[in-house]
Amino acid sequence: GEDVEQSLFLSVREGDSSVINCTYTDSSSTYLYWYKQEPGAGLQLLTYIFSNMDMKQDQRLTVLLNKKDKHLSLRIADTQTGDSAIYFCAESIYNQGGKLIFGQGTELSVKP
Amino acid sequence: DTEVTQTPKHLVMGMTNKKSLKCEQHMGHRAMYWYKQKAKKPPELMFVYSYEKLSINESVPSRFSPECPNSSLLNLHLHALQPEDSALYLCASSQDDPGQGNTEAFFGQGTRLTVV
Repeated sequence: GEDVEQSLFLSVREGDSSVINCTYTDSSSTYLYWYKQEPGAGLQLLTYIFSNMDMKQDQRLTVLLNKKDKHLSLRIADTQTGDSAIYFCAESIYNQGGKLIFGQGTELSVKP
Repeated sequence: DTEVTQTPKHLVMGMTNKKSLKCEQHMGHRAMYWYKQKAKKPPELMFVYSYEKLSINESVPSRFSPECPNSSLLNLHLHALQPEDSALYLCASSQDDPGQGNTEAFFGQGTRLTVV
C-alpha cells in the first residue's frame, strides 16, 4: 500500500543545516515532492525530484533520494528563522490520476 | 505567475446553509484539485478534475459538490455540512495530465471553513 512517513519535529539553531527525512513504501512512485506550510497558509512547492535521480540542488535546498531504501531527505543549508514551518514530503504514483500521498509533516523550529 | 487564488479566505456557516468555495488559476493548467486539511494533519485529496472533467472522487460525501465551469475555475459547493467538516480547504492545479507523471501541484492559500 501507499504510505509516507516523516518524523514529527526537528529543532535547529539559526545558521545550522537542517535535514528532514522521509520514507515511502510504494516502488511505483514517479516523482517525490517537498512542500512548506507556514501557519495559516497554503502549501508552497519547494522542489521535486524524479525517481530515477539521486540528487537535486536548488540554492539552499538539497534533495537526496535513495531509491533502494525508499528514503528521501531535504537539507536546508544556513537555516533561518523564516524557515520555521511544517515540511511535507509527498509522492505521486504513475496512473493514480495525479493523487499526491503526503507524509505527516515535520515541524521545523529554528531558534535564534 | 504561479498563483492559485481561493475565495473566501475564511467562512463560517451553519449546518443548514449553502455556500460555495471558489478557486481560480491562470497558468493554463489542465488539472485542478480539492484537498481537505485538518489541523496538524496532511492534506487529503477530495476531487480531481482533468480537462474540466471529474476524474477522481475520493468517496467524498454528497454534501460536497465540485464544479469546474471552465479550465481556470473550480468551485466546491457546500450544503448541510457537519461541524466535523470544519477544516482548511485547499485548491491546487498542475500542468501535466494527472497520473502520467509529474503532479507538480501549486496550492492556493486555502479557505478556512468553520461549521457551527
